[in-house]
Amino acid sequence: SSELTQDPAVSVALGQTVRITCQGDSLRSYSARWYQQKPGQAPALVISGHNTRPSGIPDRFSGSSSGNTASFTITGAQAEDEGDYFCSSRDSGGNHVVFGGGTKLTVL
Amino acid sequence: QVQLQESGPGLVKPSQTLSLTCTVSGGSITSGDYYWSWIRQPPGKGLEWIGYIHYSGSMDYNPSLKSRVTISLDMSKNQFSLKLSSVTAADTAVYYCARDPLFCSGGSCYSSWYFDLWGRGTLVTVSS
Repeated sequence: SSELTQDPAVSVALGQTVRITCQGDSLRSYSARWYQQKPGQAPALVISGHNTRPSGIPDRFSGSSSGNTASFTITGAQAEDEGDYFCSSRDSGGNHVVFGGGTKLTVL
Repeated sequence: QVQLQESGPGLVKPSQTLSLTCTVSGGSITSGDYYWSWIRQPPGKGLEWIGYIHYSGSMDYNPSLKSRVTISLDMSKNQFSLKLSSVTAADTAVYYCARDPLFCSGGSCYSSWYFDLWGRGTLVTVSS
């Protein structure tokens, strides 16, 4: 089982706001990263930590954290935002990367 | 721009060794600015970090796979490779190579703990 826990699926109406969460003890010490994966494609980094977006990532994507929970928020979801979202961080020992199980986002 | 491309057999028999190569194009694997990683994803499941290597020779592996994994560099070919021994059906997955930028502070450098560039992935099936 993963050290980071995500809800398996979330849905959002087109244009509305959705939050995807990631829980784990290591998130109290280390920031989360977020990846988007579309069917048949490799994951793509969308949040590199502390709400930092790589170049080219829409500003409707944001990240935040509180306690043992990291959140990824899409403000004004678009149809192209459908896909799987994975969080990652360090393991409890702080030495290795771990991923959450992923959340499938459906835009209605 | 820099691109990563995985290559290797798509079918491996149980108990044998899985061998994959990642070719880096558009940039040098010896730039020193990155760790080079392998990550895998079983069909329909989540991601698992396998390990990384730096051109200096520094490397680290996922503790759950460490006894079976070797990651190496071929600087002359601008490639890095993965070997996973004693494979079983549980090792069936899409294998990705990926780049992890170094973060340097106070004279020391560390992993940034994220992957900013990925290959397209290659499916490896373990079956007799």
